[in-house]
Amino acid sequence: DTAVSQTPKYLVTQMGNDKSIKCEQNLGHDTMYWYKQDSKKFLKIMFSYNNKELIINETVPNRFSPKSPDKAHLNLHINSLELGDSAVYFCASSQGRTSGPEETQYFGPGTRLLVL
Amino acid sequence: GENVEQHPSTLSVQEGDSAVIKCTYSDSASNYFPWYKQELGKGPQLIIDIRSNVGEKKDQRIAVTLNKTAKHFSLHITETQPEDSAVYFCAASIVGGGNQIYFGTGTSLTVIP
Repeated sequence: DTAVSQTPKYLVTQMGNDKSIKCEQNLGHDTMYWYKQDSKKFLKIMFSYNNKELIINETVPNRFSPKSPDKAHLNLHINSLELGDSAVYFCASSQGRTSGPEETQYFGPGTRLLVL
Repeated sequence: GENVEQHPSTLSVQEGDSAVIKCTYSDSASNYFPWYKQELGKGPQLIIDIRSNVGEKKDQRIAVTLNKTAKHFSLHITETQPEDSAVYFCAASIVGGGNQIYFGTGTSLTVIP
């Protein structure tokens, strides 16, 4: 069974569209994250949720909105997609109620988003 | 905030040789340093980590060293194998300072058979 899964794996869409990426973890972890990886492989955290509560919200456009219906799911909704949003988006999770950074983060396989 | 620099950006070695990746960090409060390996088409995976109260840690063919005074840490891979080819990321964070991990810019390692 996949520990952290994301759907879709590939997403090709037109500028201006709205799209969602879904993430689910079956590890029983309390904390989930979204990262963006650009074409140069640079990994940047976008959001972190602990037990459905937002705890990290980096400077990302408010077109990006995370939603956590329960602690096993963290979805990412993107409005009015722009060319610069093209990247690979990774979901991750870590264990523990406080989930300090020393908790191993388990990454999903990524969603490759291409905005045309 | 924390700034992590990583060098080199690309590295090619012959199979069996050693590979060394170096990172520096800016925030002296950082005390946890994980290393992640990202294979093609996959998400990053933790391969080893080190805390600031330890100077060196080894796990089979991989080892990490930390110099707190100089604020730099390194990943050493010995007896490299083709399956070691991947992108490696160093990272730094503060335990108890929230969940944020600051990643380096990545090193693309190619092991030539």
